[in-house]
Amino acid sequence: TQLLEQSPQFLSIQEGENLTVYCNSSSVFSSLQWYRQEPGEGPVLLVTVVTGGEVKKLKRLTFQFGDARKDSSLHITAAQPGDTGLYLCAVIYSGGGADGLTFGKGTHLIIQP
Amino acid sequence: ETGVTQTPRHLVMGMTNKKSLKCEQHLGHNAMYWYKQSAKKPLELMFVYSLEERVENNSVPSRFSPECPNSSHLFLHLHTLQPEDSALYLCASSQDRRTGGLTEAFFGQGTRLTVV
Repeated sequence: TQLLEQSPQFLSIQEGENLTVYCNSSSVFSSLQWYRQEPGEGPVLLVTVVTGGEVKKLKRLTFQFGDARKDSSLHITAAQPGDTGLYLCAVIYSGGGADGLTFGKGTHLIIQP
Repeated sequence: ETGVTQTPRHLVMGMTNKKSLKCEQHLGHNAMYWYKQSAKKPLELMFVYSLEERVENNSVPSRFSPECPNSSHLFLHLHTLQPEDSALYLCASSQDRRTGGLTEAFFGQGTRLTVV
């Protein structure tokens, strides 16, 4: 069982459409991060959400943290080919002192021109 | 200099070889990490070095050996690997939460490792 379940696993849509991807868990988190990874590159941080119910916007991307801090969503408006990539959610894993991140499997997003 | 630099970008090695992956960060962070990314698994944390403390994932085999000589450099020494160790190995850095950071990770481009 994965700590973070991301859905859908794959999504292919046309340019201009809207979409939402999800990150769900049965655990409560103090914060949650979203990353985007392009082929051949490392993940790049998009946003960190820390407060239940919080909504953050980054241009056409809207991130929401669930009220109970167990889940999050990423909504993209008017998707563009440049939005293509692997979208990963992550939470802090504390190894008894130093932290690392635990990631979901991600959503592979393809925006077709 | 880019934030986090990994070398080499690609590596092919035999199962009896010994090689090392290198990572350098120029962001002034005090924590560095190794992650493994395989085709069918999520990004998996392998090792953390933070504030001179090392934390490791107990599921990582001993054929992977990390070294962190200072807060800017991180190595992953590889020996007698198996073909199933083929993956993208990613280095990251961040500011430790205990010093006011949010553990927001900045990743390098990764080393694509193929074990033959």
